[in-house]
Amino acid sequence: AQSVTQPDIHITVSEGASLELRCNYSYGATPYLFWYVQSPGQGLQLLLKYFSGDTLVQGIKGFEAEFKRSQSSFNLRKPSVHWSDAAEYFCAVGLTNDYKLSFGAGTTVTVRA
Amino acid sequence: SQTIHQWPATLVQPVGSPLSLECTVEGTSNPNLYWYRQAAGRGLQLLFYSVGIGQISSEVPQNLSASRPQDRQFILSSKKLLLSDSGFYLCACGGQWDRAYNEQFFGPGTRLTVL
Repeated sequence: AQSVTQPDIHITVSEGASLELRCNYSYGATPYLFWYVQSPGQGLQLLLKYFSGDTLVQGIKGFEAEFKRSQSSFNLRKPSVHWSDAAEYFCAVGLTNDYKLSFGAGTTVTVRA
Repeated sequence: SQTIHQWPATLVQPVGSPLSLECTVEGTSNPNLYWYRQAAGRGLQLLFYSVGIGQISSEVPQNLSASRPQDRQFILSSKKLLLSDSGFYLCACGGQWDRAYNEQFFGPGTRLTVL
C-alpha cells in the first residue's frame, strides 16, 4: 500500500542550529513530492516541491530538500533555524496521474533560545 | 496566483445543529477543490474533493457532505453535527495546468468546536 512516513513526531532544536526532517514514502513509481509548513491556527504553506530533474530543490524561508530515489526519501533541511521556524511540517506525496496527495502525520518543530 | 477564502474563521456549534462552511477561490479557473479536516493532535484527513461543478468524491463515510455550486465555490455541510466533527477544516485548490496536477494550495482554515 502507498504510504508516507515522517518518523519524528517532535523535534526540538536550538536557534541557529541546523534542522533535518525526515520523510520516507512507499510508492511504485517516483511520485511528486512536497513539503508544507503550518503555523499554529493557520493553513498550510508550500515550502518546496520536487517533480523531476535536480534532486536538490530549494524552497522558501531558506529550506531545501533532497530526493534520494534509492532510499525513497525526501528529507527537508535548513542550515540555521530561526525562532519563527517553530511550526508543524508535513511531507506530501502524489502520483503523477492522481488528483490527491497523501500526507505524512507531521513533525512538530520547537525552537529553543 | 490563486487566493483561497474560508469563512467563518471560527465557529462554535451545539451537537445536533447544522453546519455550512464555505470556501471560495480567486485567481484561477476550473480548479480541483478539496476539503480536509485536522482533529486535535492529528494529521490531515481528506474528506472530499471535486474536479468540476457538481462533481464530488467522498473519501470518508461520515455525516458530512460537500457541494460545488459554482466553479470556484466549495461548501461543506452537515445536517446534524456530532462532537467528533470538531476540528480544523481546510480548503485547498489544485490542478493548475502549469503545475503538477496534485500540487495544492491551502486556505486559512475554519476552527469548528462542537459542544
